[in-house]
Amino acid sequence: QKEVEQDPGPLSVPEGAIVSLNCTYSNSAFQYFMWYRQYSRKGPELLMYTYSSGNKEDGRFTAQVDKSSKYISLFIRDSQPSDSATYLCAMSARGGYNKLIFGAGTRLAVHP
Amino acid sequence: DVKVTQSSRYLVKRTGEKVFLECVQDMDHENMFWYRQDPGLGLRLIYFSYDVKMKEKGDIPEGYSVSREKKERFSLILESASTNQTSMYLCASSPAGSTQYFGPGTRLTVL
Repeated sequence: QKEVEQDPGPLSVPEGAIVSLNCTYSNSAFQYFMWYRQYSRKGPELLMYTYSSGNKEDGRFTAQVDKSSKYISLFIRDSQPSDSATYLCAMSARGGYNKLIFGAGTRLAVHP
Repeated sequence: DVKVTQSSRYLVKRTGEKVFLECVQDMDHENMFWYRQDPGLGLRLIYFSYDVKMKEKGDIPEGYSVSREKKERFSLILESASTNQTSMYLCASSPAGSTQYFGPGTRLTVL
């Protein structure tokens, strides 16, 4: 079993929809949680960074962490065609050398 | 803005060649990382470095070596390139205790 599981999709939604992207993990030591967005043929770009449980909001993006269920989510409100990309979750147990464990990525397509 | 740059966007090499991939960051970050990304396998850590001249093996170091002579520069070396090293190579950097920022990637093809 992988340490981090992420549905690869693809996920196709109409413009304006609310998108929910999810990851589950097995290592209870994970404390730092990240979401990256990766456009085709580009490097991943950091979207959200949270520590421990709770919610964090940034514009149309909300990251949620539920450590008791070992489950993290990224919500995108009012989705736009420019949100079409692969979304990677990542997590680490400590902030020191912060070795990240990545999910496989979910491909999202937002169509007009 | 954090800036991580990689020496090439696309590279084509022949089997057996020695290949150098270079990464430079301009934010004085302590940590630097090399990953490869393959369809269905996600990002896999090859090597990382937490200080100048220091290096640690990641999950898939075989066939690779690294060099970090200056804080801002981290090089990945393929001593004798093989076709199974065809991949997207991503460099990242981070300050201590924080998350990673990625470069644009180098798509390497070994023929």
